Amino acid sequence: EIVLTQSPGTLSLSPGERATLSCRASQTVTSSYLAWYQQKPGQAPRLLISGASSRATGIPDRFSGSGSGTDFTLTISRLEPEDFAVYYCQQYGSSPRTFGQGTKVEIK
Amino acid sequence: QVQLVQSGSEVKKPGASVKVSCKASGYTFTTYGISWVRQAPGQGLEWMGWISAYNGNTHYAEKFQGRVTMTTDTSTSTAYMDLRSLRSDDTAVYYCARVAGADYFPHWGQGTLVTVSS
Repeated sequence: EIVLTQSPGTLSLSPGERATLSCRASQTVTSSYLAWYQQKPGQAPRLLISGASSRATGIPDRFSGSGSGTDFTLTISRLEPEDFAVYYCQQYGSSPRTFGQGTKVEIK
Repeated sequence: QVQLVQSGSEVKKPGASVKVSCKASGYTFTTYGISWVRQAPGQGLEWMGWISAYNGNTHYAEKFQGRVTMTTDTSTSTAYMDLRSLRSDDTAVYYCARVAGADYFPHWGQGTLVTVSS
């Protein structure tokens, strides 16, 4: 099973700042099959990024994904008030599909 | 637009079973598989397994093998997740999610809270 470790656990930032979230895999993620999701309290997750770097439909371009192999990054270039949430990475190259434990982006 | 509408909250006793439904609309049901993902209170996301809506093939996470059954009813475009021998640590919100072709999830149901308590 591929274990995904996200860091930091919590990121305290102000609106307008840049957020950099990390997702490290215990083994190589096949074909960069890595997705990122945003989840707000009481809501289902929302897909942001698939294939490590492809934005999902309707996702603003301030969200970008990068990385390959075992190291992946989600960057939010300028935080908007609605971006404060929990972010999860997920690998879908190997079974079982696994998620990271999440990074909470909170208002400083 | 794609919609996944799940059944309502459930309260079950330890040892019981629960069956959660997920009714799909806005696309051809048999074209895409459905995965089930759960989230315990205050915790992260956990993938439980996947079912092909085309032929009913399933793939379950080893943790749930023998305790979970995923099925579909193509006549009503509905997927089901049946979890047996419930324990208190099965208390969670259970989500259905439509796969995109590859096994990531652009579409999610609203979630069903299952509470296991004596």
